[in-house]
Amino acid sequence: DTAVSQTPKYLVTQMGNDKSIKCEQNLGHDTMYWYKQDSKKFLKIMFSYNNKELIINETVPNRFSPKSPDKAHLNLHINSLELGDSAVYFCASSQVLTALGQETQYFGPGTRLLVL
Amino acid sequence: RKEVEQDPGPFNVPEGATVAFNCTYSNSASQSFFWYRQDCRKEPKLLMSVYSSGNEDGRFTAQLNRASQYISLLIRDSKLSDSATYLCVGFNNAGNMLTFGGGTRLMVKP
Repeated sequence: DTAVSQTPKYLVTQMGNDKSIKCEQNLGHDTMYWYKQDSKKFLKIMFSYNNKELIINETVPNRFSPKSPDKAHLNLHINSLELGDSAVYFCASSQVLTALGQETQYFGPGTRLLVL
Repeated sequence: RKEVEQDPGPFNVPEGATVAFNCTYSNSASQSFFWYRQDCRKEPKLLMSVYSSGNEDGRFTAQLNRASQYISLLIRDSKLSDSATYLCVGFNNAGNMLTFGGGTRLMVKP
């Protein structure tokens, strides 16, 4: 069984469109994340979210918004897509071990977004 | 300066070689560190956590030097299947976020 799944795997769209990427985890984790990996392979956190708190990386444009219908899902909605949004988007989840301050994150397979 | 920095490589080594990667971090508030492995066109996967006392998992040894703010990963007896990008990762409990280095690419050749 897939622990963290994302759909779609590939997404090709035109500039200016609005699109969503879905993420689901069946690990019972409390926290979910969205990352962006650009063409230079840098992996950058976009959002960290649990049912109590949304932490936003301040460099993320407000065209990007996470939406969580329930604890097991964190979808990423993108408005007015731009060429620079082309990247691989990874969803991840973790169970934060706050006592130890450590966590292991499990990543989804990624969504390859190409904006034309 | 990036918060977590790595030599991007690539490191080209023959099978059986020992190879070491270093990683430096700038945020002294980072509390935990990890090495993740990412294969081409795949998602990152946790390789091992890094503790101040150092830890070993089979052919892999990770070390953390807080005074110098660097983390290392040593791979002994390299296998072809070790070819991948190795990501150094710091965790700041206050921000509840992982910060990834740019990765070091390893290519093990026959």
